[in-house]
Amino acid sequence: AQTVTQSQPEMSVQEAETVTLSCTYDTSENNYYLFWYKQPPSRQMILVIRQEAYKQQNATENRFSVNFQKAAKSFSLKISDSQLGDTAMYFCAFGGSGTSYGKLTFGQGTILTVHP
Amino acid sequence: NAGVTQTPKFRILKIGQSMTLQCTQDMNHNYMYWYRQDPGMGLKLIYYSVGAGITDKGEVPNGYNVSRSTTEDFPLRLELAAPSQTSVYFCASINPGQAGELFFGEGSRLTVL
Repeated sequence: AQTVTQSQPEMSVQEAETVTLSCTYDTSENNYYLFWYKQPPSRQMILVIRQEAYKQQNATENRFSVNFQKAAKSFSLKISDSQLGDTAMYFCAFGGSGTSYGKLTFGQGTILTVHP
Repeated sequence: NAGVTQTPKFRILKIGQSMTLQCTQDMNHNYMYWYRQDPGMGLKLIYYSVGAGITDKGEVPNGYNVSRSTTEDFPLRLELAAPSQTSVYFCASINPGQAGELFFGEGSRLTVL
């Protein structure tokens, strides 16, 4: 079974600054996917960024980027130029391949607060 | 395009009552899932289905039942509700070819008193 650990229950950052959220995972699989989801107070689950394990290049989506270290089983999220709308709970998640599509294992979450 | 629709959005149950959470998707996705999210925690998989007539247990299936008679619908049944089932429930769907990106419903908040 996979496990996902987010060791930072809460983080805060000033508007326009950069913040990094940490995530580690454990798996014996070789092909898998890693995700960061954002959950604002509306509780909607919003996909922020996705990384395929077979890709060495780190994924980037506008102000969001990841540092994927496969050997270390680490998957951190960097948010640049933080905005007030980034305030939310952030979840790291692990997903398998093939018939395990969609069977995600989530971390405990990190509450991010962006201050003006 | 409605995506994944869950009803009801809020419900209060008494201990021992039963109810069904409805989930429907209009994207012709084969795979569907039910997750629960306890306060301050991440989501945990309850049940999933890879197609009509096929269902299987996830990490936390006790106290729940599901059925999948059509591609579109995947209802979650709670029998004999208990306070431990107080949670937010999310339905999600995917086509396998979309490489693990789930489409989530807006969630259903259930309180058992």
